Amino acid sequence: DAMVIQNPRYQVTQFGKPVTLSCSQTLNHNVMYWYQQKSSQAPKLLFHYYDKDFNNEADTPDNFQSRRPNTSFCFLDIRSPGLGDAAMYLCATSRASGRAFGNEQFFGPGTRLTVL
Amino acid sequence: QQQVKQSPQSLIVQKGGIPIINCAYENTAFDYFPWYQQFPGKGPALLIAIRPDVSEKKEGRFTISFNKSAKQFSLHIMDSQPGDSATYFCAAIARSAGGTSYGKLTFGQGTILTVHP
Repeated sequence: DAMVIQNPRYQVTQFGKPVTLSCSQTLNHNVMYWYQQKSSQAPKLLFHYYDKDFNNEADTPDNFQSRRPNTSFCFLDIRSPGLGDAAMYLCATSRASGRAFGNEQFFGPGTRLTVL
Repeated sequence: QQQVKQSPQSLIVQKGGIPIINCAYENTAFDYFPWYQQFPGKGPALLIAIRPDVSEKKEGRFTISFNKSAKQFSLHIMDSQPGDSATYFCAAIARSAGGTSYGKLTFGQGTILTVHP
């Protein structure tokens, strides 16, 4: 089945120790999103890639970076995790054509990040 | 203007009841309104969605009612079951309006639904 896969599902890191979360998709979608979701809150968009074009949200801290080496994979790098970065990180994909975005965003299962 | 306001924050019903979750928006550029269902420890999953040219859409036990003039929409769950217990998010997206916000989901705050057996 076509899907969005996130690894690892659970990640524990130490304060200040860089961490990378990965997302892969078999949907062949050209848009990939990274969201941060804290407990009892809605997902918050960090950034998205439209093909190779990176689009950062204005309030996303510089501590968060992303890479998309090809259509299928996207990575979230947290350079120096703080205690406040503990959250669920969700990857999502969508199809867009020109200026028209697709109806649906398909979410992965998420990576739960714990910062000690 | 980018907000989607969702209520109630939490909802408890008995099995067979009809929970109703309401959302309101301001941005008239929004042209697609999905609802997501999220179970603990899982990612959100698309449940049902509606375009503003339709006043009602039904899929199985789930119905969206849409009032374009009032800029409000709601989710009704018929014959609710304990397995429906989850967090529900309404959302809105401007798929092609242009500007810096298009193509991005704006989520409501979420409603935690509990269905008792």
